[in-house]
Amino acid sequence: GAVVSQHPSWVICKSGTSVKIECRSLDFQATTMFWYRQFPKQSLMLMATSNEGSKATYEQGVEKDKFLINHASLTLSTLTVTSAHPEDSSFYICSARDLRAVVWGTEAFFGQGTRLTVV
Amino acid sequence: TQLLEQSPQFLSIQEGENLTVYCNSSSVFSSLQWYRQEPGEGPVLLVTVVTGGEVKKLKRLTFQFGDARKDSSLHITAAQPGDTGLYLCAGGRSGGSNYKLTFGKGTLLTVNP
Repeated sequence: GAVVSQHPSWVICKSGTSVKIECRSLDFQATTMFWYRQFPKQSLMLMATSNEGSKATYEQGVEKDKFLINHASLTLSTLTVTSAHPEDSSFYICSARDLRAVVWGTEAFFGQGTRLTVV
Repeated sequence: TQLLEQSPQFLSIQEGENLTVYCNSSSVFSSLQWYRQEPGEGPVLLVTVVTGGEVKKLKRLTFQFGDARKDSSLHITAAQPGDTGLYLCAGGRSGGSNYKLTFGKGTLLTVNP
């Protein structure tokens, strides 16, 4: 299957600082990437949909100014957690769909996730 | 609103037993994916089903998409400890740039040796 690389795998930061997470599609182009948040033993919660060259679409309840998303190219999207606080500690996962997908609604491929701990 | 109801949420069985996980919705999906996730890692795609009534097999795993494309099931035969993990179903909807995956809450499976 297609490869999506997420970096870093884990990060520890001090409260009040900002953290950037990168999501790259390595062997395909992705016009759309998705950012999720996951709590222990729970499912994925969609935070936002990132479209290349345009503003991200955020899900209800997700603060746009706190979770900044940039999708500058067809292979890279970034999520920046600004002024992080301990309650932002979580597992963040990105996914991407192949631009060449013929059937809309087909599979998306996931990065390996980023464990963020804010102390 | 939780559009995909996944059950059971937790399942602990002995090695060699069979099990079925269900994913149900009142909405129609253009496709449905099943993922398996291990702690600290991202979900890994197991299968995609797109046609109503479709059945796909992956070794000991059998996936079925309902005729109306509103529900799906995952059946594991002779479960092994290596099958332990979080199983997630996700429904995809067509709509061009509005494509979105909706996830079920997941089934945490533990297979005891």
